[in-house]
Amino acid sequence: GDSVTQMEGPVTLSEEAFLTINCTYTATGYPSLFWYVQYPGEGLQLLLKATKADDKGSNKGFEATYRKETTSFHLEKGSVQVSDSAVYFCALSEVSGAGGTSYGKLTFGQGTILTVHP
Amino acid sequence: GAVVSQHPSWVICKSGTSVKIECRSLDFQATTMFWYRQFPKQSLMLMATSNEGSKATYEQGVEKDKFLINHASLTLSTLTVTSAHPEDSSFYICSARVAGGIYEQFFGPGTRLTVL
Repeated sequence: GDSVTQMEGPVTLSEEAFLTINCTYTATGYPSLFWYVQYPGEGLQLLLKATKADDKGSNKGFEATYRKETTSFHLEKGSVQVSDSAVYFCALSEVSGAGGTSYGKLTFGQGTILTVHP
Repeated sequence: GAVVSQHPSWVICKSGTSVKIECRSLDFQATTMFWYRQFPKQSLMLMATSNEGSKATYEQGVEKDKFLINHASLTLSTLTVTSAHPEDSSFYICSARVAGGIYEQFFGPGTRLTVL
């Protein structure tokens, strides 16, 4: 079955440091890939997504590139802020339905806690 | 937009009682809602997929009679934990997919259930 493996946390960085959170996946088909973020006391929010190989998702300074050859979708940010402190989840979803018009269930990685200090 | 609420945000109950958790899409219609369970320091595990007007589809290993799911309208799904026991204590999260939407699930803030 499908699975997602994330870099173990927690990750602690100083403000303006470079961030990488590794994510690799196993899928039987050709999945779409996602990063979700969960801020303290809030629900998960979609941070970025990529639907095909070599696609780069980006949002709020975060980026991740869909690498089919290495089955990876690593999250990066060049300069983190204190407000980026949160739990980050990598996830995949297999495409289903005619013409890829609907998506099945999300399979999540275990989450990585990021803490950024001033 | 695309806000999902859950109620209650936390609940403590005695062993053997039943607890109902509500999931509402506040500003959109959701034909599909998902229920997840999250253990401490672990990932979200999908419990079931709920489609409006039809029976929920449960993941392997999830007891249908213990976790009753009802999706009676396009904005409300409920999860009832029947005859709760301490091992049911967990963080329950729902998400909703916009009717006709493709990619995104919008997540509720979660409900912390503690069974004494």
